[in-house]
Amino acid sequence: GNSVTQMEGPVTLSEEAFLTINCTYTATGYPSLFWYVQYPGEGLQLLLKATKADDKGSNKGFEATYRKETTSFHLEKGSVQVSDSAVYFCALIMNYGGSQGNLIFGKGTKLSVKP
Amino acid sequence: DTEVTQTPKHLVMGMTNKKSLKCEQHMGHRAMYWYKQKAKKPPELMFVYSYEKLSINESVPSRFSPECPNSSLLNLHLHALQPEDSALYLCASSQDGRGGNEKLFFGSGTQLSVL
Repeated sequence: GNSVTQMEGPVTLSEEAFLTINCTYTATGYPSLFWYVQYPGEGLQLLLKATKADDKGSNKGFEATYRKETTSFHLEKGSVQVSDSAVYFCALIMNYGGSQGNLIFGKGTKLSVKP
Repeated sequence: DTEVTQTPKHLVMGMTNKKSLKCEQHMGHRAMYWYKQKAKKPPELMFVYSYEKLSINESVPSRFSPECPNSSLLNLHLHALQPEDSALYLCASSQDGRGGNEKLFFGSGTQLSVL
C-alpha cells in the first residue's frame, strides 16, 4: 500500500540553525507530495507541495524537492526561527480521480526552536 | 476568504449525549472532508463529500453521521460516543476532490472530549 515515513522527533534546534526533516514514501503510482505544518492548538496549513519528479516546492524559506529515484521529499530550511516551532507532516495523495482527498500522512515531526 | 470555519472549538459531552460539529467554507469548493486526529498522531480520513454527495466513508462507526446540507456546509452528528472517540476533529475543503493536485484547506478543528 501507499505510505509515508518521516523522521521521528522531537527535533530541537537553536535559532538560525539549518533544518532537515527526512521524508520517504512508498506508492504504487506517481503521487503528489506535500508538507503540512500544524501550530499548537490549530489545524493544518499547507506549507509546500510538488506534483511530479524533480519539482521543488518552496514557501517561507522552506524547500523540498521531489526525488523519484530515492522516493524522498525532505524538508529543509537554511535558518530556522522560534516561530517555526510546530509539528510538520509529510503527506502524499495519488494522482488519479479516485483518490479524492485521501491524504496519507506521515506520523509528524515536532520541531522546537530555542532562542 | 480562504478560511474553513469550525464550531465549536471545544466540546465536552457524555456518552449518552447527541451533539453536532459544524464546518463552513465560502471558497466555492465542492469537496469537503472530515478527519480525526488523536493526540500526537497524524490526521486520519473519515468522510469525503464531493458535490454534496458522500463519496468516501472510511469504515467509520455509525455513531458518527455526516451531513452536507449544501456545498458550503458540512456537519458531523455525534451520538452515543465512547471515551476513545476523544480527539481533534478537522474539517477540510478543496476544489472538487477529483485529483492528486488538490490543495486541501483545513479548519482549526474541534477538540472533542467524551466523558
